[in-house]
Amino acid sequence: QVQLKESGPGLVQPSETLSLTCTVSGFSLTSYSVSWVRQPSGKGPEWMGRMWYDGDTAYNSALKSRLSISRDTSKNQVFLKMNSLQTDDTGTYYCTRGLLGTGSQFAYWGQGTLVTVSS
Amino acid sequence: DIVMTQGVLPNPVPSGESASITCRSSKSLVYKDGKTYLNWFLQRPGQSPQLLTYWMSTRASGVSDRFSGSGSGTYFTLKISRVRAEDAGVYYCQQVREYPLTFGSGTKLEIK
Repeated sequence: QVQLKESGPGLVQPSETLSLTCTVSGFSLTSYSVSWVRQPSGKGPEWMGRMWYDGDTAYNSALKSRLSISRDTSKNQVFLKMNSLQTDDTGTYYCTRGLLGTGSQFAYWGQGTLVTVSS
Repeated sequence: DIVMTQGVLPNPVPSGESASITCRSSKSLVYKDGKTYLNWFLQRPGQSPQLLTYWMSTRASGVSDRFSGSGSGTYFTLKISRVRAEDAGVYYCQQVREYPLTFGSGTKLEIK
């Protein structure tokens, strides 16, 4: 079955770089795109960006200068790197996949990983 | 960016009654293929969002037919018939018509 799982450090220092990994199973990264979504506690989700099935990427313009998404298809992993973290980057980070290869019907989600930005 | 504005529910909603959640977009979500690119999600406390409907009115697999999405190009409604305790949580609309994909701020549903 389709599964996604996020992993990474729970605590990041201000001004440092966040590195997260989304490990997927049950499907191929060369057939489906994977997006990253984050959610501050008590607030609505924010779409951050996506890795397309063909290796192309798309980013939220609000984060584009700080964000990079990459992948390793041999390991079934998608990576997120975001630099210059501040306290308002604190929240739960999810990876998610659509129903269709090119689709944005986000039917499959990881459990999320909580990231706290604090000194 | 397309702004998604969600309405507020008169909580709590009695079990067995209906609830309608509204969402408005700042731009039409109808694409040239005729589809309306709007998703609805339910997020229960401590859980990841769950897709309820996509393309405005298509129910996701396994979602109860008590949930129905409708609307126009910029005004949308998610109707929940015969609400049950398990329907409690925060509902989000999301536009996937253009980048950046954006969510509403959420509508909380409490059940009495």
